Amino acid sequence: DSGVTQTPKHLITATGQRVTLRCSPRSGDLSVYWYQQSLDQGLQFLIQYYNGEERAKGNILERFSAQQFPDLHSELNLSSLELGDSALYFCASSASLRGRSPDEQFFGPGTRLTVL
Amino acid sequence: QKEVEQDPGPLSVPEGAIVSLNCTYSNSAFQYFMWYRQYSRKGPELLMYTYSSGNKEDGRFTAQVDKSSKYISLFIRDSQPSDSATYLCAMRGSYIPTFGRGTSLIVHP
Repeated sequence: DSGVTQTPKHLITATGQRVTLRCSPRSGDLSVYWYQQSLDQGLQFLIQYYNGEERAKGNILERFSAQQFPDLHSELNLSSLELGDSALYFCASSASLRGRSPDEQFFGPGTRLTVL
Repeated sequence: QKEVEQDPGPLSVPEGAIVSLNCTYSNSAFQYFMWYRQYSRKGPELLMYTYSSGNKEDGRFTAQVDKSSKYISLFIRDSQPSDSATYLCAMRGSYIPTFGRGTSLIVHP
């Protein structure tokens, strides 16, 4: 168990809908990262937040947005969903004194999103 | 050409074999190199982390980086059925990591 929690585990929705994925980082971690993993694209970095502020942006679509709250949990909002958005969405956290390196990221179990 | 290339496998080996997993990359700015292990229906977990070229050993695992060839490897000695998983290489220059697509490894008893 990495200490990172994600809810829900599974999400089934229809095209055009909007969903919110939630992540709680490990205790003491200030950074949260979001990733999308699909069979054809592999693990793609979406966005990083550090202590409430956006730190880095990857291949995140304009239909997707994220935020990190004062209690450090984060939410990833996906809107106008398309069939191609079906994937595993992972959250990871880092910046803990307990890490083996300053950059070690601990991944949550993921949310499996299915868009029908 | 993708920035990071990794053969998806699957790679099937008998228990006790030495396993070699590899990635090639094209971005000279990459300085940090990582290997993650991902079991089915789980998130990736960091196995090895190296900076720049050279070798790093941790138990049965050895990570090797050859920056001149833009080639990294992960060796697993005395492989066990519990090593069956997908292994992803990852690398970065600054903040944004780039992952390989992962190699599926099957170690059969």
